[in-house]
Parts: sequence; structure tokens; C-alpha cells
Amino acid sequence: GAGVSQSPSNKVTEKGKDVELRCDPISGHTALYWYRQSLGQGLEFLIYFQGNSAPDKSGLPSDRFSAERTGGSVSTLTIQRTQQEDSAVYLCASSPGSGGTIVLNTEAFFGQGTRLTVV
Amino acid sequence: QKEVEQNSGPLSVPEGAIASLNCTYSDRGSQSFFWYRQYSGKSPELIMFIYSNGDKEDGRFTAQLNKASQYVSLLIRDSQPSDSATYLCAVNAPYRAGNNRKLIWGLGTSLAVNP
Repeated sequence: GAGVSQSPSNKVTEKGKDVELRCDPISGHTALYWYRQSLGQGLEFLIYFQGNSAPDKSGLPSDRFSAERTGGSVSTLTIQRTQQEDSAVYLCASSPGSGGTIVLNTEAFFGQGTRLTVV
Repeated sequence: QKEVEQNSGPLSVPEGAIASLNCTYSDRGSQSFFWYRQYSGKSPELIMFIYSNGDKEDGRFTAQLNKASQYVSLLIRDSQPSDSATYLCAVNAPYRAGNNRKLIWGLGTSLAVNP
């Protein structure tokens, strides 16, 4: 597709279960972000992938959260042993990125998000 | 000091007025600046980007960048009720040790345009 695709769009899970959220970025985009957004709040950075560099995991809130990006394309965010405070919208964004030190063309394009509800 | 700061608002303007949204950033080496709009319940969408000092106009929107003062602003002329949304500022800095070029976001300014 032409845009960033996320699945599922909605997920309701029981506390303690594991969930996987998927993101298909725009083809050719080297950078991929995961964010979390609670109602009425700003974007909370979770993790950033840029090309073949080691991912920036500095925003992951606990070791229950992990993410991988296979083949530089599709990414999966996994939350283990979900808690009620994990309920939020999880947004994925991809960016063309830049291979050099001149940083242009780095705007992010967002998917429609996955609304996660932990009951 | 937060890396990217915005007034949370809400900023309230009457229909037809100019809305002025401001953003300051801390990394003097920042090179790319973006304004996004986010409607309630929707994902952020890009409005404009600016790389050079000065003004950049696109329709009713004007982005202004002042690197010496480390601020970027967004002006919305002839504001419409449909412009009511949260406006997010994002900044990117060049790669150097300890910086991996990821976008840094402000928390957004809520704008309400009253009919």
C-alpha cells in the first residue's frame, strides 16, 4: 500500500496476556518509530529503527516491551504480561531517513494506530 | 530543559483570525523542522516542513524559522473551525556521537477556532 499500515486497528486483551502489534512501513523508508499515546496526551517515544544501526530502545517503559524489525521492513511491537496501564493507542511511523550527516527529508508518516485495551 | 517545547494551550481564536503557534528547541545544531496537525482520535499528519531561516508559505499556513533564537512558528491565516486540532512541532538534528537523528517532538498545542 501507499501508506503505513498497522494491524490490528483495535485489540482488547486480558491482563497478563501477551500482545503483538504489527507495522508495515512505506516501502523504501529506512527509519521506523513506535510511539504510545494516551487520551489527551502527547506522543511518548518507545523505539526507533534506522537502517542497519542498533535500534534506539531508550523509550521502552519496561522489559515487558520489545520490538523487532525484520529485513529492514515490517516491525512488530510485543508487550508481554499486559497491564491495564498499557492501554493506549500505539502509533507507528516511517521516514525516508538520510544516510549522511545532512539531515533532510526526515519527515515521519504515521499509520492509523492500534488501540489497545487491557481489561 | 525539554528538547522541544510548546505551550499546551488551549489557544482560542475567533474564526477568520490569525492563529500563531510557537515552538522552541534546545539543540542548536537542529536542521529540520516539522509541523503536524492531529485531530482528536486521529494520527498526526504533516502540514509543513522548513529547513532554512525565514518564512515558508503554503496556502493559509506559514512556517517561520529563526535558528539564532532557536524557535519555529506556524501561522494560520483566516482560521477556520476545521483548523481546531492539536499542533505538534518536531525537530531533527544532524548525526553526531550520541545522537541518532531521530525526530524529537513537542507535546503539542491545542487550538480551538470559534465560529
